[in-house]
Amino acid sequence: DVKVTQSSRYLVKRTGEKVFLECVQDMDHENMFWYRQDPGLGLRLIYFSYDVKMKEKGDIPEGYSVSREKKERFSLILESASTNQTSMYLCASSFAPRGGTYNEQFFGPGTRLTVL
Amino acid sequence: LAKTTQPISMDSYEGQEVNITCSHNNIATNDYITWYQQFPSQGPRFIIQGYKTKVTNEVASLFIPADRKSSTLSLPRVSLSDTAVYYCLVGDLSYQLIWGAGTKLIIKP
Repeated sequence: DVKVTQSSRYLVKRTGEKVFLECVQDMDHENMFWYRQDPGLGLRLIYFSYDVKMKEKGDIPEGYSVSREKKERFSLILESASTNQTSMYLCASSFAPRGGTYNEQFFGPGTRLTVL
Repeated sequence: LAKTTQPISMDSYEGQEVNITCSHNNIATNDYITWYQQFPSQGPRFIIQGYKTKVTNEVASLFIPADRKSSTLSLPRVSLSDTAVYYCLVGDLSYQLIWGAGTKLIIKP
């Protein structure tokens, strides 16, 4: 079974703190993703990575950065946490498209981040 | 990018067949239609994917008409454990998907 793990289920931080969210996948997937999920808004893509050291902005990258030094690990960084970044953060991974087809994403359990 | 519209919530009873319809009027030629299921405190889980006509797997069926402007996820004989949020997505590449608010399905005994 594919396993995507996230470093914390719940996290409470203060405004202005630097926050690291870690994600690890064990299926040798090329693609990794970070989303945030808010009530009524569904999932919104923050960043994704299609290879080690490669990253692309998603729909809402402002206030976030990412790091992918190893294929299995993708980190989301909040340089200076703000209260509007209180949310559920979901990591996902997938194989790269084969022949142009979409490949399913496998999600971690999520990290509920509260910024006070 | 295509945008999907699906009901915010639905109720049904155990043992019934549940159909959730999603509209995607601007679907592109290369787009696939994918459905995910999400339980509370978990990440979404892939259910089914299709391009046209009908696709069936061990948990659901997906019906797609010829014009592909809508699709229907069909869950046969639901149980209480099917209570979840269901997301309809269209796109051809993972990073171009747009996730809507989903349909909250509540199954009653």
